[in-house]
Amino acid sequence: DGGITQSPKYLFRKEGQNVTLSCEQNLNHDAMYWYRQDPGQGLRLIYYSQIVNDFQKGDIAEGYSVSREKKESFPLTVTSAQKNPTAFYLCASSTGLAGPGGELFFGEGSRLTVL
Amino acid sequence: AQTVTQSQPEMSVQEAETVTLSCTYDTSESDYYLFWYKQPPSRQMILVIRQEAYKQQNATENRFSVNFQKAAKSFSLKISDSQLGDAAMYFCAYVRWEADKLIFGTGTRLQVFP
Repeated sequence: DGGITQSPKYLFRKEGQNVTLSCEQNLNHDAMYWYRQDPGQGLRLIYYSQIVNDFQKGDIAEGYSVSREKKESFPLTVTSAQKNPTAFYLCASSTGLAGPGGELFFGEGSRLTVL
Repeated sequence: AQTVTQSQPEMSVQEAETVTLSCTYDTSESDYYLFWYKQPPSRQMILVIRQEAYKQQNATENRFSVNFQKAAKSFSLKISDSQLGDAAMYFCAYVRWEADKLIFGTGTRLQVFP
């Protein structure tokens, strides 16, 4: 079945450590996105990528980094510079520009807790 | 800048009844898409319904329908014959034509009582 796989589902981190969240899709989508979800704040865009080897900052990119070496993969690293990393992280993909419809397909999410 | 506002943090409905979730947005664009996404307790977001701004007819998907008022920049979701499985967070989202990122509202938590 086609879809988006995020791992791990739950992750605990000590302060000062970098952690990497995995996102893999087999939908053959060009575009991939990382969102952060906090209670009462909806979804906020961290980074997105429209094509391999290219990505753009979203609204809250500080303290995060990404790579897009393969079309199927878009890992997110939460660095020690991120001041408040405890959150639920959602990865999504789409066919690309919103002209054809813009629907996002989401993974099941990863919950990061900083101890 | 475009914004999406969901003014109802929580709503509740009795099973089999109808409920309407509100969404307003602000944009100067004329061509755009609007979406309602559902996030059940499992946390995986799924698309409920989509509306193209150039279409005057309101979108409908089975028990889900929208009331799209372009001039008023309003996009409400009506759920008819509510079911227990409809309990979830519902997010309204906007994207302008050929843009590359959606803008989400803060969500409405819907509870469904038997």
